Amino acid sequence: DTEVTQTPKHLVMGMTNKKSLKCEQHMGHRAMYWYKQKAKKPPELMFVYSYEKLSINESVPSRFSPECPNSSLLNLHLHALQPEDSALYLCASSRTSGMISYNEQFFGPGTRLTVL
Amino acid sequence: DQQVKQNSPSLSVQEGRISILNCDYTNSMFDYFLWYKKYPAEGPTFLISISSIKDKNEDGRFTVFLNKSAKHLSLHIVPSQPGDSAVYFCAALYGGSQGNLIFGKGTKLSVKP
Repeated sequence: DTEVTQTPKHLVMGMTNKKSLKCEQHMGHRAMYWYKQKAKKPPELMFVYSYEKLSINESVPSRFSPECPNSSLLNLHLHALQPEDSALYLCASSRTSGMISYNEQFFGPGTRLTVL
Repeated sequence: DQQVKQNSPSLSVQEGRISILNCDYTNSMFDYFLWYKKYPAEGPTFLISISSIKDKNEDGRFTVFLNKSAKHLSLHIVPSQPGDSAVYFCAALYGGSQGNLIFGKGTKLSVKP
């Protein structure tokens, strides 16, 4: 299995809603990532988990709350989002986040989020 | 300030010809570089990578060249095929960055039959 899966594919939510994005991989990767991509822009890193511990938080607002329940799963909990948070949210995984030789990150298809 | 730059937003090439996508970087700490391909409504797909200890890496139709002194890399696709039409992102990181990939803005490649 060489796939990163993300659910849901699309999500529309109001500014007062609470929702979660889910990501799963079964490649034995121990690093997982959340990226945000706005239209016509490159992906921007939000969070990195290494061995289920948060190792990077790129100054992301607290209305985004990541969670890594185990080595295969990564969640992104959303609460009180703003319309400007509408974007494609990408999950990725790699063998480790430290060893340079293994940093090919494999991406999921993304969740297209719209905040009304 | 952009650390990874792809100065050509788009490139159009005839099928069977060579496609050359360029990327420049400013951070001399970067020591690993990757190319990703992205179709609309899909996540980026890893294509090929190169470590800073090499100046060339080849995988089938795809070759990446690295010129460290110029802080420049390029992706060559030979021969180009219509299925190669996509947005290509150059990305870079350094050993202590814990996987913090820095992406360029992408170049949209169109391969015409």
